[in-house]
Amino acid sequence: DQQVKQNSPSLSVQEGRISILNCDYTNSMFDYFLWYKKYPAEGPTFLISISSIKDKNEDGRFTVFLNKSAKHLSLHIVPSQPGDSAVYFCAASEVNTGGFKTIFGAGTRLFVKA
Amino acid sequence: DGGITQSPKYLFRKEGQNVTLSCEQNLNHDAMYWYRQDPGQGLRLIYYSQIVNDFQKGDIAEGYSVSREKKESFPLTVTSAQKNPTAFYLCASSYWQGGENIQYFGAGTRLSVL
Repeated sequence: DQQVKQNSPSLSVQEGRISILNCDYTNSMFDYFLWYKKYPAEGPTFLISISSIKDKNEDGRFTVFLNKSAKHLSLHIVPSQPGDSAVYFCAASEVNTGGFKTIFGAGTRLFVKA
Repeated sequence: DGGITQSPKYLFRKEGQNVTLSCEQNLNHDAMYWYRQDPGQGLRLIYYSQIVNDFQKGDIAEGYSVSREKKESFPLTVTSAQKNPTAFYLCASSYWQGGENIQYFGAGTRLSVL
């Protein structure tokens, strides 16, 4: 049972336009959410995060929105650039007795066309 | 130059053989993690360690073993009991500050079976 779902395996966007990547989760105990970016043959790199007490966090061209009632978060990239082409992973974590445990989605591959 | 170093980059395993993947970090992070990535899937947690000499099983620990004798090192052994070891393995470390837990990843090890 996937607790974190990214239902779009891929997304293609024109350079300069907005990219919107979506993520749904099922566990209401998740209280911290992250987006990672991954290039081929490399490890993921942290992009942006949001705590469950917020509904929006912005960092430059990247904005993450959280809708707790819908158990949905999204990453907006504006304007999209060719260098943004990568796989984006949504992740969610909760504090448990062993500390943080983070669950990752399957990823969405973003293509930004020049 | 701080970061996480995984070695080797590529590894081949023969039938019935145990192999060990190395992960070293100089970020002074307490927590370390091992993930497995298969095509079209997200990162699945194998083992994690919140502190030296302690570790917990993740979602897919069967056929794997770890040790955490030093803060900097968290090696993963893929045993002969793991029947489908071919995958991309990622190591990460993290710190916990102000309710945030951001993981930093190595470049990965691609393991294949001969």
